[in-house]
Amino acid sequence: QKEVEQNSGPLSVPEGAIASLNCTYSDRGSQSFFWYRQYSGKSPELIMFIYSNGDKEDGRFTAQLNKASQYVSLLIRDSQPSDSATYLCAVNGGSQGNLIFGKGTKLSVKP
Amino acid sequence: EAGVTQFPSHSVIEKGQTVTLRCDPISGHDNLYWYRRVMGKEIKFLLHFVKESKQDESGMPNNRFLAERTGGTYSTLKVQPAELEDSGVYFCASSQGTGGYEQYFGPGTRLTVT
Repeated sequence: QKEVEQNSGPLSVPEGAIASLNCTYSDRGSQSFFWYRQYSGKSPELIMFIYSNGDKEDGRFTAQLNKASQYVSLLIRDSQPSDSATYLCAVNGGSQGNLIFGKGTKLSVKP
Repeated sequence: EAGVTQFPSHSVIEKGQTVTLRCDPISGHDNLYWYRRVMGKEIKFLLHFVKESKQDESGMPNNRFLAERTGGTYSTLKVQPAELEDSGVYFCASSQGTGGYEQYFGPGTRLTVT
């Protein structure tokens, strides 16, 4: 059974701080990794994807991938109250198209 | 560019009734996926279309669920007869390719079976 694990939170950070969200996955053959943001009652919104080991930066967001440790993380710099949402980690196994999701981490950014 | 759309946004039906959910993918996206999230659980894959063909339906829970994508455009997911455990949010997603391609999600249909 392929699994993706995330701390459910809530993770609470003050405005302006760095929020660090973590995810581990069980399938060593996984090749693509995605972070989705989901506001309450809304659809998952793709915010970052990463395929190679190392860091990938996009604005205030940085995704980090370590395939040897089967670990993916998302850093949000200068956190804003509008970043308060549930962050979903999703993993794709390669030739199969489907994503395997974690349960998500709820982030709360306090003004 | 229009995103993925789903209809209805919310459906309340009684156990034993039939419900049909619709998804319109992003124009030009050959790949269409159905996912479901039940209360307290993670989003789980149901099935994957490439154009009009079912590529993978390993996530379909049982034969009460039937998905179609005639003509390779929009897709429908029919639940017949509905059971209480079918309640949840049904998401549709689409992508240009398979494997590592990004999937974009629709707003979901919240299905409540009473």
